[in-house]
Amino acid sequence: EAGVTQFPSHSVIEKGQTVTLRCDPISGHDNLYWYRRVMGKEIKFLLHFVKESKQDESGMPNNRFLAERTGGTYSTLKVQPAELEDSGVYFCASSQDNRGAAGNTIYFGEGSWLTVV
Amino acid sequence: QKEVEQNSGPLSVPEGAIASLNCTYSDRVSQSFFWYRQYSGKSPELIMSIYSNGDKEDGRFTAQLNKASQYVSLLIRDSQPSDSATYLCAVNKGVSGSRLTFGEGTQLTVNP
Repeated sequence: EAGVTQFPSHSVIEKGQTVTLRCDPISGHDNLYWYRRVMGKEIKFLLHFVKESKQDESGMPNNRFLAERTGGTYSTLKVQPAELEDSGVYFCASSQDNRGAAGNTIYFGEGSWLTVV
Repeated sequence: QKEVEQNSGPLSVPEGAIASLNCTYSDRVSQSFFWYRQYSGKSPELIMSIYSNGDKEDGRFTAQLNKASQYVSLLIRDSQPSDSATYLCAVNKGVSGSRLTFGEGTQLTVNP
C-alpha cells in the first residue's frame, strides 16, 4: 500500500513567487492534515480536511496560504506570494477516521522542503 | 511556555543501554499522547501511543504516562544503532489523533 506522497520533495523559489505543494493521502483516508516545521522549531499544525471540507484551519499563518482538497482526494497547499519566513518543511498526513483512538494512526509523508530566497 | 517540551538533546547512549526520552505538556485536558520517530529526511513514524496513566510496552519500547504530573516518557531497551533518530513527542486534546501538538524533538544517537 502506498503511503502519503508529497510533491515536490524540494523547492527553491524567490520571494514573491508562488509555490503549490501537492499531497496524495493514503487511499481511503478521509482525514488529511497539513503541518509545517520551520528551522529550529517544532512541527506545527496548519489545517485538517475531512474529505473535501476544512474541519479546522486555525493553524494557517495568514491569507497567503490556501489549501484545497477538491473531490476529497489529493490536496494542494499554495503559498502566494512566498516570503522568506515561509521556508521550512511542509508535511502532509492522513488518517482513516477521526472517531476514536484505536487504529487512528496518523501517517505522515516525507515532506516538501521549501526554501524561499 | 511551550505546550510540549522535550528534554534537550542530543542524547547519546551506548549500544545495549536503555535510552530515556522525556516530555512534559502544559494543557491538562490533553488525552492522547504519541511518540514519533523520524530519521533524517524521512517522515515521522508513529511508534507508540498511550492514553491511560501507567506503562505501555511494545517490544523494546515502553511509554509511560503520568497525567497528574503532565509527563510522558519513552524508554528504549537494548538500544541499537538503528534507533538513532529524532524522537518527537506529540499530544492531542481529544481521544483521536487529530491536531497534534509536537515538541521540538530529541535527537538520539546509539553508539556501537
